[in-house]
Amino acid sequence: IAGITQAPTSQILAAGRRMTLRCTQDMRHNAMYWYRQDLGLGLRLIHYSNTAGTTGKGEVPDGYSVSRANTDDFPLTLASAVPSQTSVYFCASSGQRNNEQFFGPGTRLTVL
Amino acid sequence: AQTVTQSQPEMSVQEAETVTLSCTYDTSESNYYLFWYKQPPSRQMILVIRQEAYKQQNATENRFSVNFQKAAKSFSLKISDSQLGDTAMYFCAFMKHSMYSGGGADGLTFGKGTHLIIQP
Repeated sequence: IAGITQAPTSQILAAGRRMTLRCTQDMRHNAMYWYRQDLGLGLRLIHYSNTAGTTGKGEVPDGYSVSRANTDDFPLTLASAVPSQTSVYFCASSGQRNNEQFFGPGTRLTVL
Repeated sequence: AQTVTQSQPEMSVQEAETVTLSCTYDTSESNYYLFWYKQPPSRQMILVIRQEAYKQQNATENRFSVNFQKAAKSFSLKISDSQLGDTAMYFCAFMKHSMYSGGGADGLTFGKGTHLIIQP
């Protein structure tokens, strides 16, 4: 079944550790996105990529980095995790101009 | 920058009733898109309905319809004949027009959500 997969489903991480959240889509979508969802704040954009080889910063990029080496994968890296990065992280993709975004199942990350 | 405001943190209605969720937004863009997403307890984000700002006609998808008032920057969602399965968080989202062929360049700006509870 075509769609977006994220790994891991959930993770508990010690502060200061490095962590990479994985996102893969098989819909050949050009655009991909990372959001974080915090209680009472909705979803906020962290980084995005319009096409392989390009990335851009969203509303809350500090402490996160991304890469887009190919169309299918869009990993999100926390170089040195802090407790304020405890959140649910969603990856999304979009294949058509100005059309809907399709979301992955999310990763629940807890930083202690 | 855009902002999206959902003023109702939680709503509760009886099954089969009609309910309207409010959303207002602020933008200086003239061409943009608005969405309602549903997030049930499973956490999955599901698109409910989409509206192009250049279209005057309100979008409709089965029991879901919107009241889009561009001048007032209002985009409310009406759910008719509500069902138990409609219980979820509902998020209003804004996306400005993209020059990129592959999607919305800057991503979505979301409101904080409304928790809708359908009572049996």
